[in-house]
Amino acid sequence: EIVMTQSPATLSVSPGERATLSCRASQSVSSNLAWYQQKPGQAPRLLIYGASTRATGIPARFSGSGSGTQFTLTISSLQSEDFAVYFCQQYNNWPRTFGQGTKVEIK
Amino acid sequence: QVQLQQSGPGLVKPSQTLSLTCGISGDSVSSISAAWSWIRQSPSRGLEWLGRTYYRSKWYSEYAVSVKTRITLNPDTSKNQFSLQLTSVTPEDTAVYYCARDIRGHFDHWGQGTLVTVSS
Repeated sequence: EIVMTQSPATLSVSPGERATLSCRASQSVSSNLAWYQQKPGQAPRLLIYGASTRATGIPARFSGSGSGTQFTLTISSLQSEDFAVYFCQQYNNWPRTFGQGTKVEIK
Repeated sequence: QVQLQQSGPGLVKPSQTLSLTCGISGDSVSSISAAWSWIRQSPSRGLEWLGRTYYRSKWYSEYAVSVKTRITLNPDTSKNQFSLQLTSVTPEDTAVYYCARDIRGHFDHWGQGTLVTVSS
């Protein structure tokens, strides 16, 4: 099973600043990597798939990069609605596995 | 607009069977370009994919090793829905359960989630 490790666990950022979240896979997942946003009491929402393709309706301030074992989600200018938990997920191998999440909180 | 609507009890007794249903609108459970998954989330296990069912000329189901002996996913084409059954539950199965549409491995639409508590 591929282990997905996210860092940091918590990221404190001021509104308008850039946030950079990392996700590392225990072995290569090529570009088969997705990012999700989850707010309290809600289901995860797909942000990025294929490591860098934004899902339908996702603002351009969200961008993804990386391949192989190292991936990054960047939020260019944090808005109030972006404070949430973010998860990465690999779909290169079975079973599909998720990271433990990065909480983005208001500084 | 794809929407997934979950239903089922929020409390199950130990050793009994957890049963949840996911109704689909805006797509078909028989779609040849999608699969239909169940995922659960708990503080101890995080997000855990449990299994999926899909149609490619015939029906297939695939399950996570961790629950393989206890899980069954069933599609219902007449109601355009699919279900999860998890037998012999223990308190470790307490979690929020989600259904989701699987498009080539990523999950683009999710149900609203159901908190299932295993307790006597």
